[in-house]
Amino acid sequence: QKEVEQNSGPLSVPEGAIASLNCTYSDRVSQSFFWYRQYSGKSPELIMSIYSNGDKEDGRFTAQLNKASQYVSLLIRDSQPSDSATYLCAVNDSSYKLIFGSGTRLLVRP
Amino acid sequence: DTEVTQTPKHLVMGMTNKKSLKCEQHMGHRAMYWYKQKAKKPPELMFVYSYEKLSINESVPSRFSPECPNSSLLNLHLHALQPEDSALYLCASSQEPYTDGYTFGSGTRLTVV
Repeated sequence: QKEVEQNSGPLSVPEGAIASLNCTYSDRVSQSFFWYRQYSGKSPELIMSIYSNGDKEDGRFTAQLNKASQYVSLLIRDSQPSDSATYLCAVNDSSYKLIFGSGTRLLVRP
Repeated sequence: DTEVTQTPKHLVMGMTNKKSLKCEQHMGHRAMYWYKQKAKKPPELMFVYSYEKLSINESVPSRFSPECPNSSLLNLHLHALQPEDSALYLCASSQEPYTDGYTFGSGTRLTVV
């Protein structure tokens, strides 16, 4: 069973802090990795994609990928209350299906 | 236009009803997807259309019937659903199948009574 695993949280951080969200995956041949943000009752919104080892930065967001460790993470700098949401890690498996983790709920305290 | 539009936003249907969910995108994306999401669970893949052809059916019961009339439209026909089919149904699209990030529509909240 190909899996994408995330800590369900909630991860609670104070406003202005760095939030660190982690994800591991089981399929070694996965090539594409994504982070989605989902507010309660809304649909997922793509915030980051990463395809090669290392870091990728976009504004306050940094995605990190380590294929050898089968690990992908998302850092949110200067966290804002509006960042409070569920963050879904998603991975394309070897059969090209996009598999979602169960999500980490982030709470940013004012 | 960078949106995926789903209609209706909410749907209540009886177990003997027939209804359809609609999805439309005008981004020139060549792949479209149906996902089902239950409360506090991640989205689960149902169907994938690649270049207007059904390429993946995740063993979905036949009471769900997808249709792709053209490259911009995706329908999901519903018939004889069960209460446990109540969920948020999400349509998504991507530029190319599988490898690109998906753009999701706002979803249809389906309640089967």
